[in-house]
Amino acid sequence: DAKTTQPPSMDCAEGRAANLPCNHSTISGNEYVYWYRQIHSQGPQYIIHGLKNNETNEMASLIITEDRKSSTLILPHATLRDTAVYYCIVRVAPSGDKLIFGTGTRLQVFP
Amino acid sequence: KAGVTQTPRYLIKTRGQQVTLSCSPISGHRSVSWYQQTPGQGLQFLFEYFSETQRNKGNFPGRFSGRQFSNSRSEMNVSTLELGDSALYLCASSPRQGIRELFFGEGSRLTVL
Repeated sequence: DAKTTQPPSMDCAEGRAANLPCNHSTISGNEYVYWYRQIHSQGPQYIIHGLKNNETNEMASLIITEDRKSSTLILPHATLRDTAVYYCIVRVAPSGDKLIFGTGTRLQVFP
Repeated sequence: KAGVTQTPRYLIKTRGQQVTLSCSPISGHRSVSWYQQTPGQGLQFLFEYFSETQRNKGNFPGRFSGRQFSNSRSEMNVSTLELGDSALYLCASSPRQGIRELFFGEGSRLTVL
């Protein structure tokens, strides 16, 4: 599975959009981009995934660049409850449930 | 629909002892995977089970083992505990069909003294 690079920390004001970047320059054609987050002392929570098209669900939007070497997770209206560590993971979807977690981005949403 | 249930939530053991952790997946999910989370190493994959068979294994010593039962419930065991085994042990389940997300439990926090 390809390696990902994320900034270690970010801040965001409550109510504003949080844009979390992820670099995956070695991604191959059959690898998907997944995002999970982990709120303190809880298990990771799935957010969204995509292959090459932009995706949106009730939690977030995922924007993948045309060359697929990077992506951005967008939380459109961040709340205090979105404070968490966000993990960007690249993997081949049918390869099983082994996820390689990096160090993630610690997002702090402030009032 | 009930989520992934892990027991016990907290436990304290001493070096040399062994421990068994339990995971009940979401109903209908047949795949269970285990992860260890420590402040120093982050989240690391331990192993994955599907249909009572280990399908994938992480880079952990043989003291770490697991199994899955016919009802998809899973247990992991750590023998001869070391101080470094203190961690949050997370279980995740998935339907293991097609593109899927993992659903994680709250974890079992093990402290080894």
